[in-house]
Amino acid sequence: SQTIHQWPATLVQPVGSPLSLECTVEGTSNPNLYWYRQAAGRGLQLLFYSVGIGQISSEVPQNLSASRPQDRQFILSSKKLLLSDSGFYLCAWSHAGGSPFFGPGTRLTVL
Amino acid sequence: GIQVEQSPPDLILQEGANSTLRCNFSDSVNNLQWFHQNPWGQLINLFYIPSGTKQNGRLSATTVATERYSLLYISSSQTTDSGVYFCAVNTYSNSGYALNFGKGTSLLVTP
Repeated sequence: SQTIHQWPATLVQPVGSPLSLECTVEGTSNPNLYWYRQAAGRGLQLLFYSVGIGQISSEVPQNLSASRPQDRQFILSSKKLLLSDSGFYLCAWSHAGGSPFFGPGTRLTVL
Repeated sequence: GIQVEQSPPDLILQEGANSTLRCNFSDSVNNLQWFHQNPWGQLINLFYIPSGTKQNGRLSATTVATERYSLLYISSSQTTDSGVYFCAVNTYSNSGYALNFGKGTSLLVTP
């Protein structure tokens, strides 16, 4: 069966510091991968999605970036965090055209 | 972009009560899904329902695509039903599959 992992689970970082969040998927190949952010107040916002290695599409301009160095690995990065980057970051995977399945999330607090 | 509106935004029920959550969307969609986010943040797929009616235990959902709405029914609610319920619709981007989420309905079921 497929599983999706995210780490770290929680992170507290100072403003201006770099960020690297990792997501890996097991039990499937060539998945679509997604990064969502959920700010305080519930709504989920799609940040990036990828349909293959090295293929990244950005939905919202920001100081974050994403990379997919391997088929089942998706990384969310920032060179300098802002206060507004605080939130709950969710990685998800799906087959092409299928339902997404979400990881456990990373709760990021920028101070 | 497509707008997804959920109502009510907040709901408090006593254990055993029934409820109906609504999702309206502003344009034609390929698919619609309902999710439950538990108090720990995990998003759980409930229904993948582009049209018609589905049932899973005490939960059921109906989507009327031609009228651009979906309903989630919760019967005989339990305290474990508490959390946030999201409706999400998908539109096909140039080369991917992107979910647009509503802001959710926050449900609290009291003993």
